[in-house]
Amino acid sequence: DVKVTQSSRYLVKRTGEKVFLECVQDMDHENMFWYRQDPGLGLRLIYFSYDVKMKEKGDIPEGYSVSREKKERFSLILESASTNQTSMYLCASSYPVGVHEQFFGPGTRLTVL
Amino acid sequence: AQKVTQAQTEISVVEKEDVTLDCVYETRDTTYYLFWYKQPPSGELVFLIRRNSFDEQNEISGRYSWNFQKSTSSFNFTITASQVVDSAVYFCALSESGGFKTIFGAGTRLFVKA
Repeated sequence: DVKVTQSSRYLVKRTGEKVFLECVQDMDHENMFWYRQDPGLGLRLIYFSYDVKMKEKGDIPEGYSVSREKKERFSLILESASTNQTSMYLCASSYPVGVHEQFFGPGTRLTVL
Repeated sequence: AQKVTQAQTEISVVEKEDVTLDCVYETRDTTYYLFWYKQPPSGELVFLIRRNSFDEQNEISGRYSWNFQKSTSSFNFTITASQVVDSAVYFCALSESGGFKTIFGAGTRLFVKA
């Protein structure tokens, strides 16, 4: 069974704090993704990575950065959290060749006060 | 540009009713892939089906069935004899061949009442 885990289910931070969201997958997938999910907007892609140390911006990268030092781990960083980054954050991974379904983690609900 | 529209924001049905979730997509590519995912209250999206643009055959899996019509750019999902456990948010999604990005619709929240 593919397993994608995220470091926290719920997180509360203050405006201006640096926030790290961690994601780990155990299926040796090359591709990993970070999305945010907001009501009425579906899932929007923040960043994705197709290999270690490789990253590409998604549709809404502003205010975020990512790190992929190891194949199984993909971190999302909020350099200076703001209230408009309060959201559900979903990590996913997928096989590298062709277009395949993505496997999702349980999500981290982040609240920025 | 790619776009996925799920016009139904919320649907409420009584157990054992049939329900259809609509999905309309836009793409300029001739090769693309369509997906449905289920997000139960626990939060984790679960993959249900993938269909490529060259395969218009409808698919049935137990109580679930999918109707893909390229002529109307639709990929609708029907649950037959709905059950309370079907209550979830359902997302339709589109990926173009050769790309990494998947575009998700806004989702349809389905309530199935006992």
